[in-house]
Amino acid sequence: EAGVAQSPRYKIIEKRQSVAFWCNPISGHATLYWYQQILGQGPKLLIQFQNNGVVDDSQLPKDRFSAERLKGVDSTLKIQPAKLEDSAVYLCASSLVSGQGPEQYFGPGTRLTVT
Amino acid sequence: AQSVTQLDSHVSVSEGTPVLLRCNYSSSYSPSLFWYVQHPNKGLQLLLKYTSAATLVKGINGFEAEFKKSETSFHLTKPSAHMSDAAEYFCVVDSGYSTLTFGKGTMLLVSP
Repeated sequence: EAGVAQSPRYKIIEKRQSVAFWCNPISGHATLYWYQQILGQGPKLLIQFQNNGVVDDSQLPKDRFSAERLKGVDSTLKIQPAKLEDSAVYLCASSLVSGQGPEQYFGPGTRLTVT
Repeated sequence: AQSVTQLDSHVSVSEGTPVLLRCNYSSSYSPSLFWYVQHPNKGLQLLLKYTSAATLVKGINGFEAEFKKSETSFHLTKPSAHMSDAAEYFCVVDSGYSTLTFGKGTMLLVSP
């Protein structure tokens, strides 16, 4: 089966610019996640969707980050305006179901550099 | 709140020798625990998971982990390291409703 797709793979922008990332989960996976992985750290959950509804966005910096999942399939994550500390790899993952213990499948990530 | 602590940021082994990557967890209830591996420029891949069934969990590529409640540990082991095992390994706990909390990672270096 096809894996989780993300684009672009790399992005370089200047601070205060805006940027958007796209994710296409595995077909049929109801739950979608966005993570931020800063260099030298483990991934940190930003937002979790169940179909097209938000389950958890407690760690999403809502003053500059936004995310949507239209029709319960693809998702976009946007940063506006970007700050230097937003430089990181943004990972998208999906799982068939939610609840305790489901396996999450990760995409290759988008590496963002803010200069 | 659930959390994991990976006790080593780097582990170096020689090819053919055993691997031990250490992880302690903190949880107010019986947790689901995972080990993920991340090769350079590749996505995270699930190695194995514990979800309150057998305490010794076998994963892919010869890795296994043992859940020890008395020690609050979930260490990852492999009898014989291979060059292709060189990667970063993350111990992960399910914080509830499939919200994963990752450790800081352990970089495994394998020398010939």
